[in-house]
Amino acid sequence: KQEVTQIPAALSVPEGENLVLNCSFTDSAIYNLQWFRQDPGKGLTSLLLIQSSQREQTSGRLNASLDKSSGRSTLYIAASQPGDSATYLCAVSNNDMRFGAGTRLTVKP
Amino acid sequence: NAGVMQNPRHLVRRRGQEARLRCSPMKGHSHVYWYRQLPEEGLKFMVYLQKENIIDESGMPKERFSAEFPKEGPSILRIQQVVRGDSAAYFCASSPRDNYNSPLHFGNGTRLTVT
Repeated sequence: KQEVTQIPAALSVPEGENLVLNCSFTDSAIYNLQWFRQDPGKGLTSLLLIQSSQREQTSGRLNASLDKSSGRSTLYIAASQPGDSATYLCAVSNNDMRFGAGTRLTVKP
Repeated sequence: NAGVMQNPRHLVRRRGQEARLRCSPMKGHSHVYWYRQLPEEGLKFMVYLQKENIIDESGMPKERFSAEFPKEGPSILRIQQVVRGDSAAYFCASSPRDNYNSPLHFGNGTRLTVT
C-alpha cells in the first residue's frame, strides 16, 4: 500500500528566503507525482505534475524534482513571498492517487 | 471555461439525516474522483467514477456511503444516516482521461458538519 509522507508538517520563513519542501513515498511504481497548493477553506490548485519518466518540472519560482528510485520529491520555492503562504500537498498516482498530509507554509513579511 | 463546481459549499446535518453532495466536472471531463479531508489530515481517496460506471470504490466506507455519476447531471456523493465522524471536507476532482497523466482539477469542496 502506497504511503506518502511530507516533511516538515509546518514551516515558517521570512519573506525572500528560498525553501524546500519534501515528499517521500514507499512504492516507486508510480505514473506521476503532483504538487498542489491548498489555501484555507479552498480546494486544491495543481502546481506541477512530474511524469514518472521525468526528473523535474519548473514553473516560475517553483521547481519540483522527482527521484523515483529513492521514492523522493522536493518542491523548491525561490524568493518566497507572503502570498505563498498555504498548505502544499504532494500526491502520487499509480492505481489511484495518494496524498501526503501536507506542509503548512507561512511566509512572514 | 468553468472549473469543477461543487455544491453546497457548506452543509449542516443532524445525526441520522442524509447528506447529498454534488459535483459538476469541468466541461469535457468524464472522470470524477471524490476525496475526503478530515481536520489536520491529508486527502483520502474515496471513489473514482466515469459516466454511469463506478471504476474504483476501494476508499468508500462499506456502509451508508454511495456515489453515482449519471449520464446526465452532476456526480452525487450520498451519505445516509450521518454521524459526527462524517464531518469533513469532501472534494471532487475531474480529469479528461483515466490514466492520471493529466492534472486533476479540484473543486472548492463541500464542508459537511454533523451536529
